[in-house]
Amino acid sequence: SQQGEEDPQALSIQEGENATMNCSYKTSINNLQWYRQNSGRGLVHLILIRSNEREKHSGRLRVTLDTSKKSSSLLITASRAADTASYFCATDAGTSYGKLTFGQGTILTVHP
Amino acid sequence: NAGVTQTPKFQVLKTGQSMTLQCAQDMNHNSMYWYRQDPGMGLRLIYYSASEGTTDKGEVPNGYNVSRLNKREFSLRLESAAPSQTSVYFCASRDKLFTGGNQPQHFGDGTRLSIL
Repeated sequence: SQQGEEDPQALSIQEGENATMNCSYKTSINNLQWYRQNSGRGLVHLILIRSNEREKHSGRLRVTLDTSKKSSSLLITASRAADTASYFCATDAGTSYGKLTFGQGTILTVHP
Repeated sequence: NAGVTQTPKFQVLKTGQSMTLQCAQDMNHNSMYWYRQDPGMGLRLIYYSASEGTTDKGEVPNGYNVSRLNKREFSLRLESAAPSQTSVYFCASRDKLFTGGNQPQHFGDGTRLSIL
């Protein structure tokens, strides 16, 4: 099974609401990354949080990491229709070649 | 400012045919990767190249071969395509500024491959 397991699999909200996605993983990590994928496109890196960090912000994004629970969450505040996409967490175990292990993703739909 | 470029964008093959998926990056990155994305499965690593001149197997390498032609280019070859290889294929690259990781990967827009 995938290292990263995401919850929920799908999320539907109204514009202006907050969206929270969760990711759990099984083994030790060097960092955890979140990516967005718009329909028919490649993945775009959103934010990286190192294993010694607990929280990180970037614009309307807030990521938390709890290494004791092997879990992370991505919060998108004041969502917009343009945030509609699939969101993936990916764990980096710190190998020299940068291998990432991806979760199955959360499909976020933001209704105008 | 192209980033990672994949060709072709779409392809339909018959079972048993061969083809090569091309990937090129213009960011002078050391490491390159090939993934496949199937519904409900996330992305799975097929092969990677940590640096020019080296390639290694990922999670799902069977039925594929790769070539790191130079620092810019990393191709994926299907020697005898099978319906189970119907998927969306993504190429990615990553710089290696520091040892120990902490670098994001940059993705192309994918090749949508159907095998009949």
